[in-house]
Amino acid sequence: AQKITQTQPGMFVQEKEAVTLDCTYDTSDQSYGLFWYKQPSSGEMIFLIYQGSYDEQNATEGRYSLNFQKARKSANLVISASQLGDSAMYFCAMREGHTGGFKTIFGAGTRLFVKA
Amino acid sequence: ETGVTQTPRHLVMGMTNKKSLKCEQHLGHNAMYWYKQSAKKPLELMFVYSLEERVENNSVPSRFSPECPNSSHLFLHLHTLQPEDSALYLCASSPGGKDTDTQYFGPGTRLTVL
Repeated sequence: AQKITQTQPGMFVQEKEAVTLDCTYDTSDQSYGLFWYKQPSSGEMIFLIYQGSYDEQNATEGRYSLNFQKARKSANLVISASQLGDSAMYFCAMREGHTGGFKTIFGAGTRLFVKA
Repeated sequence: ETGVTQTPRHLVMGMTNKKSLKCEQHLGHNAMYWYKQSAKKPLELMFVYSLEERVENNSVPSRFSPECPNSSHLFLHLHTLQPEDSALYLCASSPGGKDTDTQYFGPGTRLTVL
């Protein structure tokens, strides 16, 4: 079974609107970390936001917020007020506390297109 | 310089060539990673070093040989590669191996094997 599932291969959003990128995960660990990365066409993976499994509040970083629903094992990324520069691939990732060691598991990614 | 740097950014090599990719991190991290990203495939972890010791080796062919001389530098030595090895090679570093440790990536080396 896939550990990280991103069901949206591609998404379109109008500039200045909000968009939600979906991510579900599968783990039996109690302690784990969830991450979102942005990869523009240049190739660099840019860290956006982190959510710990024990964090009670949803993480926020500027225009990025993580909608963490632990019981549903989902960690959706919300981008508010989309900008043209947000067009990129977005990857959800997880590190497991007890079984993962140094491994970060990445999803297949969602390509976001922001329309002017 | 800050963050994670990689050189070269682009590399074209023949199947009989020997080349090396270099990664340097300026974050004071203890762990460094090599990933391979091929078109339409998820990111694949290749090697992990923690405090200069290899801790992960994910069944990578021997034509890829990593080297970590110190906690700031990581190399990937390439020899007799195949065309299917053409990909984006990403280096990353993290403070350690905990689930709370964020990985920070370099800009990548785009490798083409002719």
